[in-house]
Amino acid sequence: DTAVSQTPKYLVTQMGNDKSIKCEQNLGHDTMYWYKQDSKKFLKIMFSYNNKELIINETVPNRFSPKSPDKAHLNLHINSLELGDSAVYFCASSQRGHYNEQFFGPGTRLTVL
Amino acid sequence: SQKIEQNSEALNIQEGKTATLTCNYTNYSPAYLQWYRQDPGRGPVFLLLIRENEKEKRKERLKVTFDTTLKQSLFHITASQPADSATYLCALDMGSGNTPLVFGKGTRLSVIA
Repeated sequence: DTAVSQTPKYLVTQMGNDKSIKCEQNLGHDTMYWYKQDSKKFLKIMFSYNNKELIINETVPNRFSPKSPDKAHLNLHINSLELGDSAVYFCASSQRGHYNEQFFGPGTRLTVL
Repeated sequence: SQKIEQNSEALNIQEGKTATLTCNYTNYSPAYLQWYRQDPGRGPVFLLLIRENEKEKRKERLKVTFDTTLKQSLFHITASQPADSATYLCALDMGSGNTPLVFGKGTRLSVIA
């Protein structure tokens, strides 16, 4: 049973395109996150949703738009992709009140050409 | 803003020895400090959490210490094995529920047989 899953695992696209990454968790958690890990392996929070409500929105270009249709899903849509968007994007989930222990997905490696 | 440093980018040790990884932070002490393991091409996996009022936490061959005076956490792996080779990330949690985890850049540990 996959706890946190992401699709696709790899995404190669041209500059200027729009793409989406999907995330689903079957842990029953109420909070979900998107992280970006750049080429230097630095893992940084982008967004966090609690019960479908946006609670953390770090300084991210507004070309990035998260959407949470329900507690188990958090998708990331990226418009007008740029070279600098190339990175690995991780989805994660946690349960509030449980010390914020994060469960990560396998990651989506995005390459913008 | 809170800064976190894992001052060794890479650490090589001989099998059977104890590996010690360091995590230092500036400014305010977090409510919790977490350690994660990340293997190549995978998402981070939660290992241990220590609270600000705890000095030490153990789990099997892992031990974490937390010194709020030094603003430092040490992560130890005793009787290290080649299978312990991975990148280890520390993360600060201020405990408010609405503040994100702040991750260090990680230390890549290689255990040589």
